[in-house]
Amino acid sequence: VQVLESGGGLVQPGGSLRLSCVASGFTFSSYAMTWVRQAPGKGLEWIAITYYSGSTSYNPSLKSRVTISVDTSRNQFSLKVKSVTAADTAVYYCAKHPGSSGSDFFDPWGQGTLVSVSS
Amino acid sequence: QSALTQPRSVSGSPGQSVTISCTGTSSDVGGYKYVSWYQQHPGKAPKLMIYDVTKRPSGVPDRFSGSKSGNTASLTISGLQAEDEADYFCCSSAGRNTWVFGGGTKLTVL
Repeated sequence: VQVLESGGGLVQPGGSLRLSCVASGFTFSSYAMTWVRQAPGKGLEWIAITYYSGSTSYNPSLKSRVTISVDTSRNQFSLKVKSVTAADTAVYYCAKHPGSSGSDFFDPWGQGTLVSVSS
Repeated sequence: QSALTQPRSVSGSPGQSVTISCTGTSSDVGGYKYVSWYQQHPGKAPKLMIYDVTKRPSGVPDRFSGSKSGNTASLTISGLQAEDEADYFCCSSAGRNTWVFGGGTKLTVL
């Protein structure tokens, strides 16, 4: 079971960032996928989650700027953040969630992808 | 949705036990049986250590245990080892398919 993020890099303030996460070793239909970020030297912040059904949920503080989506045919998940500022500079992680199994946790996590917002 | 409260740092000597607290509200920690704990070494991704308050994933030593009372969850590490030195984060369901993390605790093994 493995998840792998990509798409990080330098983003201009006011622009958008788009990250991808590819999952392997499990069938997405039974699980959910989430995004979590960590600003330099800071704690973890939950961003959003998507289920196989297409149902999504967002951190209320980010909801207006974030979109999570899934391509079930490719087991690939995406995160888009618009109108970015320096506060969006962080390592972005994707992680697997057990879905509606009755348990609740994020595992495994990808290695993370660094996004830097700067002009 | 405010971050859960954790002590900034804790420390202990090898072989000792330490407990890290995670305080929330009745809308998160106190309201659900879904608290998880993650260990993060510098430059690495978080690793699941405890889930559903007390459950331990396979491969995690039984030196790690979790508990909860009211709005406060706790992670206890017994028989401290040098490799336990890391940052630890708690996480709780906050309802309506949302989650909230703690600010993190730096564990130093003296």
